This record gives sequence, structure tokens and C-alpha cells, in this order.
Amino acid sequence: DTGVSQDPRHKITKRGQNVTFRCDPISEHNRLYWYRQTLGQGPEFLTYFQNEAQLEKSRLLSDRFSAERPKGSFSTLEIQRTEQGDSAMYLCASPTDEQFFGPGTRLTVL
Amino acid sequence: AQSVTQPDIHITVSEGASLELRCNYSYGATPYLFWYVQSPGQGLQLLLKYFSGDTLVQGIKGFEAEFKRSQSSFNLRKPSVHWSDAAEYFCAVAGGNTGNQFYFGTGTSLTVIP
Repeated sequence: DTGVSQDPRHKITKRGQNVTFRCDPISEHNRLYWYRQTLGQGPEFLTYFQNEAQLEKSRLLSDRFSAERPKGSFSTLEIQRTEQGDSAMYLCASPTDEQFFGPGTRLTVL
Repeated sequence: AQSVTQPDIHITVSEGASLELRCNYSYGATPYLFWYVQSPGQGLQLLLKYFSGDTLVQGIKGFEAEFKRSQSSFNLRKPSVHWSDAAEYFCAVAGGNTGNQFYFGTGTSLTVIP
């Protein structure tokens, strides 16, 4: 257990629905990352927060994706109008000089 | 731009045999390098990391890796593989300040046969 938690662990949704995932990082860590991992691939960077500020966003993060970290603690990742191509594992990481990963949320879009 | 290449998609070794997983990186400055392991249904676990100093780094579970700047490589090794080592292994590189993006390779899947 790295101390990073994610909820839910699994989410099945129908295409076109909105979904929201939550990440609770290690409490004293002020940085937080979101990654996406598809089958047979390594994690791909989505976005990065320093406290409540979203400092970087990957071009993978289309306008259907939005992430927030309102109080610099937990973060949410929302996907609107889900598509089948959004099916993946969504990972949250809370780094110091290494990335401490949460268990991930596996999204299946039917 | 930073990138990581893991040339071997899948490797099969016999239990007790030695193991080497290859990783090549592309980065202009001194890289921060990592190896992670992911077992089925489990999260990513750090095996070892290299920031500076001794180019041979020791990690958990008997793994080690050697940083070779001239070859832009950071290969992972284990002298004797156990069946429980069967998993997906990812090499990653981070920026010099360790605060920005981590770039992961596509992973190497390890199968261990009795």
C-alpha cells in the first residue's frame, strides 16, 4: 500500500455517460499526477497538479476530460460523453522523487 | 523530447535462470531513471531508481540495474528468477528536477516457467 487511494476501483458505463474518479494522495505531498494506461502499454501522462494549480496537461486530455484539485488535497478526473476508446486504467500518482501510484480505476465503456 | 524504449515485449525464462530486461532512454540531460513492476491486478511498485552516483543500483526483491550513459541504457537484472517475478516491468525516465513528467516504456512482460 503506497498511501494513495483511488475510488472507485472499477467503473462500467455506457457510451455517452459522464464518469468521475477520485484520487486521495499522500497527505503531505503537494504534487499529484494523473495517468492513463491501456492494455499492453505503459502509463501515459495526462495532467499534473502542484497544490490546487493544474500546471501541465497532455494533448491526450481532450476537452471531454477535466481534472480538479480544489483544495490542494484530493483530485477528481471527469470524463464527459464517454467513448469506447476511453476504456483504460486511470492511475493517480503522488510523488516525491519517485511516483507513488494508487491502485487505479479501471474504466470500461460499453 | 524524453522517451523510453523497451525493445522486448515479452520474455520467458526458466525459474532459477538469470534475467536481463533492456531499457533505452532518450534525454538531453542527466536522466532520473526508474524501474517499476506491475503484477496482474496490482498497482505499480517501484523496484529501484537512479539519480546520480554509483551507476549500479540495487533494488528490492534482488533486482539491480546499471546505468550506462554511453549506451543510453538502464537495464534491469536479476541473477536468479523466482516464479513470483512473473509480471510486467516498466522502465521510466523523469526530468532533471523530478517534478514534471514521467515517461514510461511500453513494458516487458515476464513469464517464468518451472
